[in-house]
Amino acid sequence: KAGVTQTPRYLIKTRGQQVTLSCSPISGHRSVSWYQQTPGQGLQFLFEYFSETQRNKGNFPGRFSGRQFSNSRSEMNVSTLELGDSALYLCASKEATEAFFGQGTRLTVV
Amino acid sequence: AQSVAQPEDQVNVAEGNPLTVKCTYSVSGNPYLFWYVQYPNRGLQFLLKYITGDNLVKGSYGFEAEFNKSQTSFHLKKPSALVSDSALYFCAVREYGGSQGNLIFGKGTKLSVKP
Repeated sequence: KAGVTQTPRYLIKTRGQQVTLSCSPISGHRSVSWYQQTPGQGLQFLFEYFSETQRNKGNFPGRFSGRQFSNSRSEMNVSTLELGDSALYLCASKEATEAFFGQGTRLTVV
Repeated sequence: AQSVAQPEDQVNVAEGNPLTVKCTYSVSGNPYLFWYVQYPNRGLQFLLKYITGDNLVKGSYGFEAEFNKSQTSFHLKKPSALVSDSALYFCAVREYGGSQGNLIFGKGTKLSVKP
Protein backbone atom coordinates (compact mmCIF):
# COMPACT_ATOMS: atom_id res chain seq x y z
CA LYS A 1 0.00 0.00 0.00
CA ALA A 2 1.23 3.46 -0.79
CA GLY A 3 1.65 5.78 2.17
CA VAL A 4 0.18 9.19 2.81
CA THR A 5 1.16 11.58 0.03
CA GLN A 6 1.38 15.31 0.55
CA THR A 7 1.99 17.83 -2.19
CA PRO A 8 3.85 20.02 -2.66
CA ARG A 9 6.78 19.25 -0.35
CA TYR A 10 7.94 22.85 -0.22
CA LEU A 11 6.23 26.19 -0.79
CA ILE A 12 7.30 29.78 -0.54
CA LYS A 13 4.55 32.37 -0.42
CA THR A 14 4.30 36.07 0.24
CA ARG A 15 2.35 37.62 3.10
CA GLY A 16 -1.26 38.21 2.14
CA GLN A 17 -1.38 35.43 -0.42
CA GLN A 18 -3.34 32.24 -0.03
CA VAL A 19 -2.15 28.65 -0.32
CA THR A 20 -3.68 25.23 -0.86
CA LEU A 21 -2.03 22.05 0.35
CA SER A 22 -3.04 18.57 -0.73
CA CYS A 23 -3.10 15.21 1.02
CA SER A 24 -3.88 11.78 -0.38
CA PRO A 25 -4.51 9.25 2.41
CA ILE A 26 -3.67 5.59 2.41
CA SER A 27 -6.08 3.70 0.20
CA GLY A 28 -9.17 2.73 2.18
CA HIS A 29 -8.67 5.24 4.97
CA ARG A 30 -11.56 7.64 5.31
CA SER A 31 -10.22 9.86 8.08
CA VAL A 32 -7.74 12.63 7.33
CA SER A 33 -6.31 14.98 9.95
CA TRP A 34 -4.10 18.02 9.57
CA TYR A 35 -1.47 19.26 12.01
CA GLN A 36 0.79 22.30 12.10
CA GLN A 37 4.32 21.91 13.42
CA THR A 38 6.39 24.92 14.47
CA PRO A 39 9.48 25.17 16.68
CA GLY A 40 7.65 27.36 19.17
CA GLN A 41 4.25 25.68 19.43
CA GLY A 42 5.14 22.11 18.54
CA LEU A 43 2.52 19.94 16.89
CA GLN A 44 -0.97 21.40 16.93
CA PHE A 45 -4.15 19.88 15.59
CA LEU A 46 -5.91 21.81 12.83
CA PHE A 47 -8.89 19.69 11.77
CA GLU A 48 -10.11 16.21 10.95
CA TYR A 49 -12.29 15.08 8.09
CA PHE A 50 -14.19 11.84 7.82
CA SER A 51 -16.28 10.90 4.81
CA GLU A 52 -16.22 14.49 3.50
CA THR A 53 -17.41 15.98 6.82
CA GLN A 54 -15.35 17.96 9.27
CA ARG A 55 -15.48 15.95 12.44
CA ASN A 56 -13.22 17.94 14.69
CA LYS A 57 -11.50 21.32 14.63
CA GLY A 58 -8.58 22.77 16.53
CA ASN A 59 -8.10 26.28 17.82
CA PHE A 60 -7.02 28.07 14.67
CA PRO A 61 -8.43 31.21 13.05
CA GLY A 62 -10.95 31.02 10.24
CA ARG A 63 -8.20 31.71 7.70
CA PHE A 64 -7.44 28.01 7.99
CA SER A 65 -9.95 25.82 6.24
CA GLY A 66 -10.13 22.40 4.71
CA ARG A 67 -12.23 19.99 2.78
CA GLN A 68 -12.35 16.36 1.84
CA PHE A 69 -13.41 14.86 -1.45
CA SER A 70 -15.37 11.70 -2.16
CA ASN A 71 -12.12 9.80 -2.82
CA SER A 72 -10.92 10.81 0.69
CA ARG A 73 -8.27 13.18 -0.66
CA SER A 74 -8.13 16.32 1.42
CA GLU A 75 -7.00 19.88 0.91
CA MET A 76 -6.31 22.60 3.39
CA ASN A 77 -6.33 26.26 2.53
CA VAL A 78 -4.78 29.18 4.33
CA SER A 79 -5.89 32.63 3.24
CA THR A 80 -4.23 35.97 3.90
CA LEU A 81 -0.95 34.38 4.88
CA GLU A 82 1.00 35.75 7.82
CA LEU A 83 4.67 35.26 8.66
CA GLY A 84 3.62 33.14 11.62
CA ASP A 85 1.98 30.62 9.31
CA SER A 86 5.43 29.40 8.29
CA ALA A 87 5.47 25.80 9.44
CA LEU A 88 5.56 22.16 8.50
CA TYR A 89 2.01 21.04 7.76
CA LEU A 90 1.43 17.36 8.34
CA CYS A 91 -1.44 15.26 7.15
CA ALA A 92 -2.38 11.94 8.74
CA SER A 93 -4.76 9.24 7.66
CA LYS A 94 -6.26 7.01 10.28
CA GLU A 95 -7.38 3.44 10.43
CA ALA A 96 -8.86 2.27 13.72
CA THR A 97 -6.53 3.61 16.40
CA GLU A 98 -3.37 4.37 14.40
CA ALA A 99 -2.54 7.53 12.49
CA PHE A 100 -0.07 7.41 9.60
CA PHE A 101 1.62 10.64 8.63
CA GLY A 102 2.80 12.01 5.34
CA GLN A 103 6.16 13.71 4.77
CA GLY A 104 4.63 17.11 5.26
CA THR A 105 4.57 20.36 3.31
CA ARG A 106 7.09 22.96 4.41
CA LEU A 107 5.45 26.38 3.99
CA THR A 108 7.59 29.48 4.20
CA VAL A 109 5.88 32.86 4.25
CA VAL A 110 8.09 35.82 3.33
CA ALA B 1 -8.45 18.10 29.21
CA GLN B 2 -5.98 15.51 27.99
CA SER B 3 -2.32 16.45 28.03
CA VAL B 4 1.10 14.95 27.55
CA ALA B 5 4.41 16.06 29.01
CA GLN B 6 7.90 15.18 27.88
CA PRO B 7 10.09 16.57 30.64
CA GLU B 8 13.40 16.37 28.76
CA ASP B 9 14.15 18.53 25.73
CA GLN B 10 17.19 16.40 24.92
CA VAL B 11 18.54 13.01 25.88
CA ASN B 12 22.15 12.05 25.18
CA VAL B 13 23.32 8.45 25.24
CA ALA B 14 26.34 6.53 24.00
CA GLU B 15 25.86 3.92 21.31
CA GLY B 16 25.23 0.51 22.82
CA ASN B 17 23.83 1.90 26.06
CA PRO B 18 20.17 1.62 27.02
CA LEU B 19 18.00 4.65 26.39
CA THR B 20 14.84 6.00 27.99
CA VAL B 21 12.71 8.88 26.74
CA LYS B 22 10.17 9.97 29.32
CA CYS B 23 6.50 10.75 28.89
CA THR B 24 3.75 11.45 31.39
CA TYR B 25 0.11 11.97 30.59
CA SER B 26 -3.08 13.34 32.03
CA VAL B 27 -6.35 11.96 30.71
CA SER B 28 -9.88 11.34 31.83
CA GLY B 29 -10.80 7.77 31.12
CA ASN B 30 -8.61 5.11 29.57
CA PRO B 31 -5.65 6.52 27.66
CA TYR B 32 -4.73 5.66 24.09
CA LEU B 33 -0.98 6.40 24.02
CA PHE B 34 1.46 6.57 21.12
CA TRP B 35 5.09 7.16 20.32
CA TYR B 36 6.24 8.67 17.03
CA VAL B 37 9.71 9.45 15.69
CA GLN B 38 10.64 12.25 13.32
CA TYR B 39 13.84 12.43 11.29
CA PRO B 40 14.99 15.80 9.88
CA ASN B 41 12.67 17.20 7.21
CA ARG B 42 10.43 14.16 7.40
CA GLY B 43 6.97 13.37 8.68
CA LEU B 44 6.19 11.35 11.79
CA GLN B 45 6.74 7.62 11.83
CA PHE B 46 4.64 5.45 14.12
CA LEU B 47 6.68 3.45 16.64
CA LEU B 48 4.18 1.86 19.00
CA LYS B 49 0.90 2.28 20.85
CA TYR B 50 -0.79 1.30 24.08
CA ILE B 51 -4.51 0.73 23.99
CA THR B 52 -5.13 -1.97 26.55
CA GLY B 53 -3.58 -5.18 27.79
CA ASP B 54 0.06 -5.82 28.55
CA ASN B 55 1.83 -2.88 30.16
CA LEU B 56 4.99 -3.53 28.13
CA VAL B 57 4.42 -2.69 24.50
CA LYS B 58 6.87 -3.69 21.79
CA GLY B 59 7.20 -1.61 18.67
CA SER B 60 9.29 -0.92 15.60
CA TYR B 61 13.12 -0.80 15.40
CA GLY B 62 13.58 -2.55 18.76
CA PHE B 63 11.76 0.10 20.79
CA GLU B 64 9.39 -0.70 23.60
CA ALA B 65 7.37 1.34 26.06
CA GLU B 66 6.12 0.69 29.54
CA PHE B 67 2.67 1.86 30.55
CA ASN B 68 2.42 2.69 34.24
CA LYS B 69 -1.07 3.65 35.30
CA SER B 70 -0.22 4.64 38.88
CA GLN B 71 2.55 6.97 37.73
CA THR B 72 0.63 8.04 34.58
CA SER B 73 3.75 7.42 32.55
CA PHE B 74 4.53 5.86 29.19
CA HIS B 75 8.32 5.89 28.86
CA LEU B 76 9.99 4.80 25.63
CA LYS B 77 12.94 2.44 25.98
CA LYS B 78 15.50 0.58 23.95
CA PRO B 79 18.06 -1.84 25.41
CA SER B 80 20.91 -0.82 23.10
CA ALA B 81 20.95 2.54 21.30
CA LEU B 82 22.18 3.02 17.74
CA VAL B 83 23.56 6.20 16.20
CA SER B 84 20.73 5.94 13.65
CA ASP B 85 18.20 6.29 16.51
CA SER B 86 19.16 9.98 16.76
CA ALA B 87 15.94 11.85 15.99
CA LEU B 88 13.05 13.75 17.54
CA TYR B 89 10.61 11.62 19.55
CA PHE B 90 7.03 12.53 20.30
CA CYS B 91 4.65 11.04 22.81
CA ALA B 92 0.94 11.50 22.08
CA VAL B 93 -2.45 10.73 23.55
CA ARG B 94 -5.70 10.55 21.68
CA GLU B 95 -7.98 13.36 22.80
CA TYR B 96 -11.12 11.48 23.66
CA GLY B 97 -9.48 8.35 24.99
CA GLY B 98 -10.85 6.33 22.14
CA SER B 99 -10.32 5.75 18.48
CA GLN B 100 -11.82 9.11 17.60
CA GLY B 101 -10.39 12.48 18.32
CA ASN B 102 -7.17 14.15 17.40
CA LEU B 103 -3.74 13.40 18.79
CA ILE B 104 -2.35 15.64 21.50
CA PHE B 105 1.43 15.67 21.33
CA GLY B 106 4.16 16.39 23.80
CA LYS B 107 6.78 18.99 22.91
CA GLY B 108 9.17 16.33 21.72
CA THR B 109 12.51 15.02 22.97
CA LYS B 110 15.62 15.17 20.85
CA LEU B 111 17.59 11.96 21.19
CA SER B 112 21.28 12.14 20.40
CA VAL B 113 23.25 8.90 20.24
CA LYS B 114 27.01 9.31 20.04
CA PRO B 115 29.37 6.64 18.72
